[in-house]
Amino acid sequence: TQLLEQSPQFLSIQEGENLTVYCNSSSVFSSLQWYRQEPGEGPVLLVTVVTGGEVKKLKRLTFQFGDARKDSSLHITAAQPGDTGLYLCAGHGSGNTGKLIFGQGTTLQVKP
Amino acid sequence: SAVISQKPSRDICQRGTSLTIQCQVDSQVTMMFWYRQQPGQSLTLIATANQGSEATYESGFVIDKFPISRPNLTFSTLTVSNMSPEDSSIYLCSVGTGVVWTEAFFGQGTRLTVV
Repeated sequence: TQLLEQSPQFLSIQEGENLTVYCNSSSVFSSLQWYRQEPGEGPVLLVTVVTGGEVKKLKRLTFQFGDARKDSSLHITAAQPGDTGLYLCAGHGSGNTGKLIFGQGTTLQVKP
Repeated sequence: SAVISQKPSRDICQRGTSLTIQCQVDSQVTMMFWYRQQPGQSLTLIATANQGSEATYESGFVIDKFPISRPNLTFSTLTVSNMSPEDSSIYLCSVGTGVVWTEAFFGQGTRLTVV
């Protein structure tokens, strides 16, 4: 069974601080995705990483895919209250079923 | 991309009753899924909704409890049957697009409370 272990599960920081969220697995994934979800809404895709060692930047967010394609990280620089939300990593399961496997999620609270 | 309309957005139901949740997509999609989510927690896949055939259920979920229909490539329903307070959760419809899709789109969810 493919699993994604996400940490930390909860993070409360002050505006302007930096943070990193980790997503780890013992399995290789062809790609990993990061989603953000706000209360009352469904998750929205932030980025997809495909190549081992790949780094993608989205404004203050930096995403990295591990060389072995078993882990990924999300780093936020100078967090803003608008970054508050639930962050989820996800990867496609084996067998080309189209199903997404989600990590446990990280609830981020950025206080002004 | 795909725009998903999910109804109802929330409901409070009596135990022992059933609720049907609708998911309408603005374009034809190959893959449709139903997830369950406790507030602030991750998503658990209930089943894959297959067009023209029976849904494929994940371990721990059965058709009698969560019957699913998918009459065409733009619409699906999930019914939560004989509800109990343990069924209180957020239910989300999700779609994948394209032959080799990588991005999932989600409805806004249905927040169900069973009393």
